[in-house]
Amino acid sequence: SAVISQKPSRDICQRGTSLTIQCQVDSQVTMMFWYRQQPGQSLTLIATANQGSEATYESGFVIDKFPISRPNLTFSTLTVSNMSPEDSSIYLCSGALGYEQYFGPGTRLTVT
Amino acid sequence: QKEVEQDPGPLSVPEGAIVSLNCTYSNSAFQYFMWYRQYSRKGPELLMYTYSSGNKEDGRFTAQVDKSSKYISLFIRDSQPSDSATYLCAMSVTGGSEKLVFGKGTKLTVNP
Repeated sequence: SAVISQKPSRDICQRGTSLTIQCQVDSQVTMMFWYRQQPGQSLTLIATANQGSEATYESGFVIDKFPISRPNLTFSTLTVSNMSPEDSSIYLCSGALGYEQYFGPGTRLTVT
Repeated sequence: QKEVEQDPGPLSVPEGAIVSLNCTYSNSAFQYFMWYRQYSRKGPELLMYTYSSGNKEDGRFTAQVDKSSKYISLFIRDSQPSDSATYLCAMSVTGGSEKLVFGKGTKLTVNP
């Protein structure tokens, strides 16, 4: 299995600012992903973080709003840019090891 | 029609009961089926994954997949208060190394 940590665990941010979330995996996972979990909703994939190249975004998510980096096999960052209250959510990173996908504890973001 | 449907509950049972959690899906290409458990304010924890149709057992947990009906189930035997959590079904075409499509989750409470 893989153990995934995220920083920060929670934050309260002002409208118009940006927050960068860090994700660290204890194993060299093949793939890393970023999801969003809104109350009462399914986990929704934001993007796949590709090592050394641009992330692959899902429909409805754009690089300018959610820039992602993955400089190596065990680390990735997600930035939530120019935040609005609608960005208040839990952001989760995950890593794939074989056929299994493991999740971090999440970052709880509140935008005021 | 959403790709994955899951009754959000909530579901409340007495300790020792058998719990049945279910999901239906519309995409016949899905081949890998996962169940995650998510405690309050924590990340999803992988419980079990199953490939294609059939049953898989792990202790008190049994996962069933019926691809002909596009229906998956998770059974919990001898349920314990520590099983109280939200259970998420997830599925994909090629396993954990790609995007997972999640249900909304079923919130389970096991009462002592």
